Amino acid sequence: QLQLQESGPGLVKPSETLSLTCTVPGGSISSSSYYWGWIRQPPGKGLEWIGTISYSGSTYYNPSLKSRVTISVDTAKNQCSLKLSSVTAADTAIYYCARHLWGSHGPYMDVWGKGTTVTVSS
Amino acid sequence: DIQMTQSPSSLSASVGDRVTITCRASQTISTSLNWYQQKLGKAPKLLIYAASSLQSGVPSRFSGSRSGTDFTLTITSLQPEDAATYYCQQSYSPAYSFGQGTKLEIK
Repeated sequence: QLQLQESGPGLVKPSETLSLTCTVPGGSISSSSYYWGWIRQPPGKGLEWIGTISYSGSTYYNPSLKSRVTISVDTAKNQCSLKLSSVTAADTAIYYCARHLWGSHGPYMDVWGKGTTVTVSS
Repeated sequence: DIQMTQSPSSLSASVGDRVTITCRASQTISTSLNWYQQKLGKAPKLLIYAASSLQSGVPSRFSGSRSGTDFTLTITSLQPEDAATYYCQQSYSPAYSFGQGTKLEIK
């Protein structure tokens, strides 16, 4: 069973950049069969898709976050990274890394990390 | 943006019951609809993709269907381990939005 592992600071100051990394074991991050991305969940609330990246580096972002989000892949390190700039308290959430499959019916997330909590506070 | 509206927001049912959760899209999304189960303190788990395809390893008591822009997740013969919050997600267009969730309690 593939296990994704998110890592990064648990506390970020307002106006700074949130940076998280997802480690994908086994080298499958380079597979053309999969996409990789991020979803978040504010405390006690629902899920919000942040964005996705393909093995070739094509990116797809939530329009509401697009101006602040960058997702990248480092195949040498088997990692997918998320950067979210100019954070505010509204960005406080559990951040999940997830493997995406992308078929004729669009993307869906079949493997999830356990999530990492990020709090935005001074 | 496509809005996804789930109903009910919460429900309580007994072991062995048949449960249905509905998700309505604000516009046509074909069969680009997925269902996830999230247990308390855990990451979501994929149950159904493309409206009615059962994810590998998911019990067959879970099923999905579509009627126009209305989608239904059905759980037949409810089990204690099915207590969770269930989310639908449209995969038709960005922002690939989720419904607000349906919390299922076992009596």
